[in-house]
Amino acid sequence: NAGVTQTPKFQVLKTGQSMTLQCAQDMNHEYMSWYRQDPGMGLRLIHYSVGAGITDQGEVPNGYNVSRSTTEDFPLRLLSAAPSQTSVYFCASSYSQGVLYEQYFGPGTRLTVT
Amino acid sequence: GQQVMQIPQYQHVQEGEDFTTYCNSSTTLSNIQWYKQRPGGHPVFLIQLVKSGEVKKQKRLTFQFGEAKKNSSLHITATQTTDVGTYFCAGDNYGQNFVFGPGTRLSVLP
Repeated sequence: NAGVTQTPKFQVLKTGQSMTLQCAQDMNHEYMSWYRQDPGMGLRLIHYSVGAGITDQGEVPNGYNVSRSTTEDFPLRLLSAAPSQTSVYFCASSYSQGVLYEQYFGPGTRLTVT
Repeated sequence: GQQVMQIPQYQHVQEGEDFTTYCNSSTTLSNIQWYKQRPGGHPVFLIQLVKSGEVKKQKRLTFQFGEAKKNSSLHITATQTTDVGTYFCAGDNYGQNFVFGPGTRLSVLP
């Protein structure tokens, strides 16, 4: 069991560039989510998905797109990178059945936008 | 929208002292979870509380969920240097998503 994997671990982008952060889980969890964590702050929810084909916006969705074509994968797309998107991005997954259970986090992607 | 607050923001303790962090939600929660994040690491699940007034213990850690299911606390007895990190509470908005508190950063001086 690899758990939740994220790639890349580090990325530097120039303003205006686009990229996709990859996230995959092998635990057959229905619920997956993306968070960003800025220095000294908590985790803010970007987008989440309660199952394949279903996504919804979190607290800070602007500038990001997601899709969920399979249970395993939940990529996060930055459409046109801005310095304000410099952050650490965590993907997480959870079993859910009306109630959300323990979230498993990936190791994170550290993104710098110059 | 739902807000989750935590106090204190920082706590510095001498090794062997006790530590408590408090979590308060603006709305009633179906359940609350606690996570620990070591410096440079990712959040790791500690525990989930579901019932009103619930108290759970894990060795030196004691977790409580308030009667109104709007507040919670984490207490560590006799801190050790391995307890260093940031402790987050996360409220489950009735199966929709998690709302994380800003965290309490604990440092333990040997």
